[in-house]
Amino acid sequence: KAGVTQTPRYLIKTRGQQVTLSCSPISGHRSVSWYQQTPGQGLQFLFEYFSETQRNKGNFPGRFSGRQFSNSRSEMNVSTLELGDSALYLCASSSLGANTEAFFGQGTRLTVV
Amino acid sequence: QKEVEQDPGPLSVPEGAIVSLNCTYSNSAFQYFMWYRQYSRKGPELLMYTYSSGNKEDGRFTAQVDKSSKYISLFIRDSQPSDSATYLCAAYTGGFKTIFGAGTRLFVKA
Repeated sequence: KAGVTQTPRYLIKTRGQQVTLSCSPISGHRSVSWYQQTPGQGLQFLFEYFSETQRNKGNFPGRFSGRQFSNSRSEMNVSTLELGDSALYLCASSSLGANTEAFFGQGTRLTVV
Repeated sequence: QKEVEQDPGPLSVPEGAIVSLNCTYSNSAFQYFMWYRQYSRKGPELLMYTYSSGNKEDGRFTAQVDKSSKYISLFIRDSQPSDSATYLCAAYTGGFKTIFGAGTRLFVKA
């Protein structure tokens, strides 16, 4: 069974640009959550999607957005990038969205210069 | 105050030692408590989860939750160099949002 796939693995962007990250969950999993991981703040919850609906959102500015498609694949978008957005972005999938058994991808390392 | 607090370490122990990793939390609504292990350049992987108070054992790992003191622990027996990683505690209320601790970096020396 294939795991959670995140693309791309590494990304370098310039301040002010926008970026789109992709996450393909484990087959059959309908819940996808996104997290930002930085050395100073740890893992911070961005949002959770289930069957194309956002069910919860973390405390991030509106520049961070996401969506989920009918095949459960998810994308997150960050507009007007800031230096502080440099981080590892992780997505996790679970079957029912209970998040007690979430499986993480390897993440996308975003560097904003 | 963060909802889940965890000492970032690092924690360094000799091979074979018993390791104790701890977290505290502030939200009484948390019902599920998880421990994840994250190796360098990898995503976190779930080690185990517990519901409410009590202990749960899986091989060399034991997770313990004390809801009265809002304390979460992970014990690793007979620690191995391969256990060297960052350990993240997490808590979940059931509202489709998991809160993670900062993670504790563990080094097990051969």
